[in-house]
Amino acid sequence: SAVISQKPSRDICQRGTSLTIQCQVDSQVTMMFWYRQQPGQSLTLIATANQGSEATYESGFVIDKFPISRPNLTFSTLTVSNMSPEDSSIYLCSVTEGVHGYTFGSGTRLTVV
Amino acid sequence: EDQVTQSPEALRLQEGESSSLNCSYTVSGLRGLFWYRQDPGKGPEFLFTLYSAGEEKEKERLKATLTKKESFLHITAPKPEDSATYLCAVTGGANSKLTFGKGITLSVRP
Repeated sequence: SAVISQKPSRDICQRGTSLTIQCQVDSQVTMMFWYRQQPGQSLTLIATANQGSEATYESGFVIDKFPISRPNLTFSTLTVSNMSPEDSSIYLCSVTEGVHGYTFGSGTRLTVV
Repeated sequence: EDQVTQSPEALRLQEGESSSLNCSYTVSGLRGLFWYRQDPGKGPEFLFTLYSAGEEKEKERLKATLTKKESFLHITAPKPEDSATYLCAVTGGANSKLTFGKGITLSVRP
């Protein structure tokens, strides 16, 4: 199955700043997904990123707050902009692998102070 | 809207004490039901995909089953290393979106 490298693994950021999370896959994939995992809550899909097109955002998530880049078939970034303490969460990228389901990166644990 | 409910929220077992984790779902046109294991500080690790009612899959001490309304993850003679959070998710309809439950935190005492 695909191997996903995600970084940073964790960060502590000041409110009002932005953080860019990187996701590198060891094989070419069509779709990459970005999820948020808040304490005690379900993993929630933020957006789907296809190479060469604009990301598709889920209800409640907007491009100005979570801009996504997808420059090629192995790489994507998610930026969390103008952060507030409510953005403290784990952010995960994922790719689909057919019968193997979806593979996830190890996540980025973000704390906003 | 797809919905997934997992129960119980937490489960504590003695080593060797078999049990089952429940995942109830509502989805329009189930395409797949997924079970994942998540250890602290790590991303979810894929366990099983089930596609249709009646399907069963096994891996070591784990066995997943599926009906039209729910799935069970049966754990036989668990060991402390089985301690983790177990996540259930579904995809349905025309999209590839995964809808997750909140997970079940399993703790197995030696």
